[in-house]
Amino acid sequence: KAGVTQTPRYLIKTRGQQVTLSCSPISGHRSVSWYQQTPGQGLQFLFEYFSETQRNKGNFPGRFSGRQFSNSRSEMNVSTLELGDSALYLCASSLLSQGQETQYFGPGTRLLVL
Amino acid sequence: AQSVAQPEDQVNVAEGNPLTVKCTYSVSGNPYLFWYVQYPNRGLQFLLKYITGDNLVKGSYGFEAEFNKSQTSFHLKKPSALVSDSALYFCAVREFGSGNTGKLIFGQGTTLQVKP
Repeated sequence: KAGVTQTPRYLIKTRGQQVTLSCSPISGHRSVSWYQQTPGQGLQFLFEYFSETQRNKGNFPGRFSGRQFSNSRSEMNVSTLELGDSALYLCASSLLSQGQETQYFGPGTRLLVL
Repeated sequence: AQSVAQPEDQVNVAEGNPLTVKCTYSVSGNPYLFWYVQYPNRGLQFLLKYITGDNLVKGSYGFEAEFNKSQTSFHLKKPSALVSDSALYFCAVREFGSGNTGKLIFGQGTTLQVKP
């Protein structure tokens, strides 16, 4: 079974621009979560989607948004990029959205904001 | 609030020796605990998890972890370290409660360096 895929793998943007990242979960998985990884803050939860509905949201400004499609693929969008948004963005999927389930991570999208 | 702490930024061990990467947690109820490993320029790979049952959990690549409720710890162990085990290790706890079933809370990570 193919793993979680994320596109693009690398991205360079300038301040003020917006960016859209894509995540395709493992086939059959309906839950997708997004995390931001930075050297200073570590791994922080952004949001989780299940069956096209946002179930949970982390403490990020409204510039960060996401959505999930009927095929469970998910996108996250960051508008008005800031230098501090430079990070590795990780997507994870699980079959459902239950506490004991394992989340499987994709390789990430590395975003650099100049 | 639920939290995870990895008290060591880096652990150094010689190849062939046993290794331990420490993790302590704070939750309001019963925890779901996870260990992940991250190699350079890669995503996180799942190693093992504790949900319930036996306190000793066995996982991938020869790793195991011991759940200790009284000490609120979930240390990762391996009897004999390999150079290829060198990577960044994350402990995580699943936050649960109304509307919080998916969110993982991660520790800051521990870099494991295995020297030949």
